[in-house]
Amino acid sequence: NAGVTQTPKFQVLKTGQSMTLQCAQDMNHEYMSWYRQDPGMGLRLIHYSVGAGITDQGEVPNGYNVSRSTTEDFPLRLLSAAPSQTSVYFCASSPGGAGFRNEQYFGPGTRLTVT
Amino acid sequence: AQKITQTQPGMFVQEKEAVTLDCTYDTSDQSYGLFWYKQPSSGEMIFLIYQGSYDEQNATEGRYSLNFQKARKSANLVISASQLGDSAMYFCAMRGPTSGYSTLTFGKGTMLLVSP
Repeated sequence: NAGVTQTPKFQVLKTGQSMTLQCAQDMNHEYMSWYRQDPGMGLRLIHYSVGAGITDQGEVPNGYNVSRSTTEDFPLRLLSAAPSQTSVYFCASSPGGAGFRNEQYFGPGTRLTVT
Repeated sequence: AQKITQTQPGMFVQEKEAVTLDCTYDTSDQSYGLFWYKQPSSGEMIFLIYQGSYDEQNATEGRYSLNFQKARKSANLVISASQLGDSAMYFCAMRGPTSGYSTLTFGKGTMLLVSP
């Protein structure tokens, strides 16, 4: 199993450009999430999905869109990049169900710089 | 709302010594789960240990143990016999019904440096 994969690993954008960060998992996990990590801020939840066709907002959703058309894929779209979106982005997945113990599996991250 | 507080931005420890990384949490949920993750300089997130709110024993995984004090709402990570490879950022996180079963709420992290 490849686990959770993210592409690209690095990206530089100009202000106003749009792009999609790709995330895929091959573990048949129902739950998928996007987090951003900024220095001194920990990881903050952007959007999440509890299954194909179901998405919801997290703590910091502004400027981002998501969709979940398949169980495997959960892309994150930046609509009009801003310098404040310079960050490291992590995608994560976990098995479904109402249990707390399920570990979240993280992708390797995408480092995005917006100039 | 759930909140995780890690009050130590940085910690230093000598090799082979034990170190405790602090984590306190705030939640109105009765049932919840607490996690610790390690993030080395390479950037990946590595799961270390889990503690359920109703688990009777403190969790242990090799050199990692969790000092869980439910009444104080604290879930401190203890690393015994520190190694140079333990130098990393450590995050405490939780999951509960309020935040949903599908996501984690993270603290801001503690940077641990292990010296020879």
